[in-house]
Amino acid sequence: LAKTTQPISMDSYEGQEVNITCSHNNIATNDYITWYQQFPSQGPRFIIQGYKTKVTNEVASLFIPADRKSSTLSLPRVSLSDTAVYYCLVGDERAGNKLTFGGGTRVLVKP
Amino acid sequence: DTAVSQTPKYLVTQMGNDKSIKCEQNLGHDTMYWYKQDSKKFLKIMFSYNNKELIINETVPNRFSPKSPDKAHLNLHINSLELGDSAVYFCASSHNPPGQNSPLHFGNGTRLTVT
Repeated sequence: LAKTTQPISMDSYEGQEVNITCSHNNIATNDYITWYQQFPSQGPRFIIQGYKTKVTNEVASLFIPADRKSSTLSLPRVSLSDTAVYYCLVGDERAGNKLTFGGGTRVLVKP
Repeated sequence: DTAVSQTPKYLVTQMGNDKSIKCEQNLGHDTMYWYKQDSKKFLKIMFSYNNKELIINETVPNRFSPKSPDKAHLNLHINSLELGDSAVYFCASSHNPPGQNSPLHFGNGTRLTVT
């Protein structure tokens, strides 16, 4: 399974855009890139998933360059409630969803 | 309506005891999982069941035994608890038809503390 590397933590302020980049140099052809958000005392929650180029939903955007060796989660105009840990996962469900989450990126949004 | 619910939320017990954690999902998903989250926030998969059949069994001590009475339930029984078992255990489910990617839906975790 492709290993992922992402920053340990990031600080931001309300109203700013937050971009978290995840490196996955060994991504395989069949692998998708998925991002999850985890609040304290809760389970991770699916944010967005993509394979290539750009994906956007009501919560975030995911940018994936052509070589797919990295991806960037973009959170527009963050609020205090976006303070959480964000996990980048890379894998193929046909591998049995043996998805192990890394340490994630702790995003702290300040007033 | 809680999609993936697990009980109890907190579990404090002594070394050597046997305990169970229950999980139920009402999403109609075919696949359920147990994950363990350690103090460094790494979530590691332990088990996965698809339609009541075990499909993933990672390197987990035999003291951990999952049981799936039906595809909506996946319980985790732990025998002879050890201090190192202290962690947060998350249940999850996914629709997971073969060949398609489907996101995981997690419960809110069970914080197990072994003293």
